[in-house]
Amino acid sequence: DIQMTQSPSSLSASVGDRVTITCRASQSISSYLNWYQQKPGKAPKLLIYAASSLQSGVPSRFSGSGSGTDFTLTISSLQPEDFATYYCQQSYSTLQYTFGQGTKLEIK
Amino acid sequence: EVQLVESGGGLVQPGGSLRLSCAASGFTFSSYWMHWVRQAPGKGLVWVSRINSDGSSTSYADSVKGRFTISRDNAKNTLYLQMNSLRAEDTAVYYCAREVASGSSSWFDPWGQGTLVTVSS
Repeated sequence: DIQMTQSPSSLSASVGDRVTITCRASQSISSYLNWYQQKPGKAPKLLIYAASSLQSGVPSRFSGSGSGTDFTLTISSLQPEDFATYYCQQSYSTLQYTFGQGTKLEIK
Repeated sequence: EVQLVESGGGLVQPGGSLRLSCAASGFTFSSYWMHWVRQAPGKGLVWVSRINSDGSSTSYADSVKGRFTISRDNAKNTLYLQMNSLRAEDTAVYYCAREVASGSSSWFDPWGQGTLVTVSS
C-alpha cells in the first residue's frame, strides 16, 4: 500500500503569513495527488487536484506543486478563514486511496 | 446543484449491522465512481471503499474487507454501505464522495455532510 506522510502535523501561523505544508508518498505517484481543506464539523472540500490544478472557486492564494514522491501546498497570505485542517490524498492506486494524517493550521 | 446526502447512521452494538445510504442529485449518478470515507472522532480521514459506475467493480480498505459491502442502485441514484460485524473502532463519521476523473487523474468532489456511526454497548 502507498503511505502518505504530511509534515508538519500542526502549525501555528499569523494572518498574512506564507505557509507551506509538505506531503510525501512512500512510492512515486506521478502527479496523482490532491489536497483537501476541512473545518470543524464540516465535510472536506477539494482545494487542489492533480498536484497543481486549482479547483474552481478556490482563492488563488492556494497553490500546489510537486511530482513523484514530494508535494507541497502553499498558502501565500493566510486569511482568517484558512485556519483549518489540510489533507493530501493519492489517487495513483485505484485499489487503495490513501490520505495523509492531516495538518492542523492554527492561529498564532 | 450537485449534492450528496448520507443517512442511516446511529448507535449499534458491537457485532451488529447497519446500512448507510447516500442519495445523489444534480448529476448523472450512473456515470461516476463513488466512495465511502470515514473519520473517527478527533482523527483524520480514512478511505473505506469505492465502487465503479455500473457496480461491477469494488475495492475495500483492509480494515473493513469481508465485513463491509459497497453497492449502488443507479435507478434510485443511491449509494450504499452495508456494515456487518461492527467493532468499536468502526465508530466514525462516514462520508460519501463522488470521484471526478480527467485523463488518468481523479479526485473527490463533492462530499456529503456525513453520518455518524457509533458502535457501543
